Amino acid sequence: DSGVTQTPKHLITATGQRVTLRCSPRSGDLSVYWYQQSLDQGLQFLIQYYNGEERAKGNILERFSAQQFPDLHSELNLSSLELGDSALYFCASSVGWGDTGELFFGEGSRLTVL
Amino acid sequence: SQQGEEDPQALSIQEGENATMNCSYKTSINNLQWYRQNSGRGLVHLILIRSNEREKHSGRLRVTLDTSKKSSSLLITASRAADTASYFCATPNYGGSQGNLIFGKGTKLSVKP
Repeated sequence: DSGVTQTPKHLITATGQRVTLRCSPRSGDLSVYWYQQSLDQGLQFLIQYYNGEERAKGNILERFSAQQFPDLHSELNLSSLELGDSALYFCASSVGWGDTGELFFGEGSRLTVL
Repeated sequence: SQQGEEDPQALSIQEGENATMNCSYKTSINNLQWYRQNSGRGLVHLILIRSNEREKHSGRLRVTLDTSKKSSSLLITASRAADTASYFCATPNYGGSQGNLIFGKGTKLSVKP
């Protein structure tokens, strides 16, 4: 158990809809990262928050947004969903910067868009 | 953008054999990490090697780093069926922002009993 909790584990929705994925980081970790994993694109970095503030942005679509709350949990909002958004979405956390230490991953939220 | 690229994409071996996976990257780094992912599960950190280290061991894992060639290798010795998983190398993202990791597409290892 990594200590990172993601909900929901599975989500099935229709095109055009909006969903929210939630992540609770390990106790004490200030950084939260969101990654998208699909068969064709591999593991893509979406966005990182550090202590409530956006720290880095990767290949995140404009239809997607995220935030980190004062209690350090984070939410990833996906809107106007398309078939191609079907993927496994991972949240990870770390104490500080991810490039100097290990990331702890949750078990992921599997999104299926029909 | 992809920083690390693993090779081979897939590897199938018998239990007891050694498995070697390679990772090449593009830009200078100060460390490189290896992660493991069981099918459909979250990634688990295996080992971190710093740019001033050439080799590092952890149990049956041996990682090397050659900064002149911009490459790393992960060796799993005496493999077991439970080692069946995908293995990813990860490097710091220095392409415009720091503080996060870029993952390769992984090597899918299958260890047959």
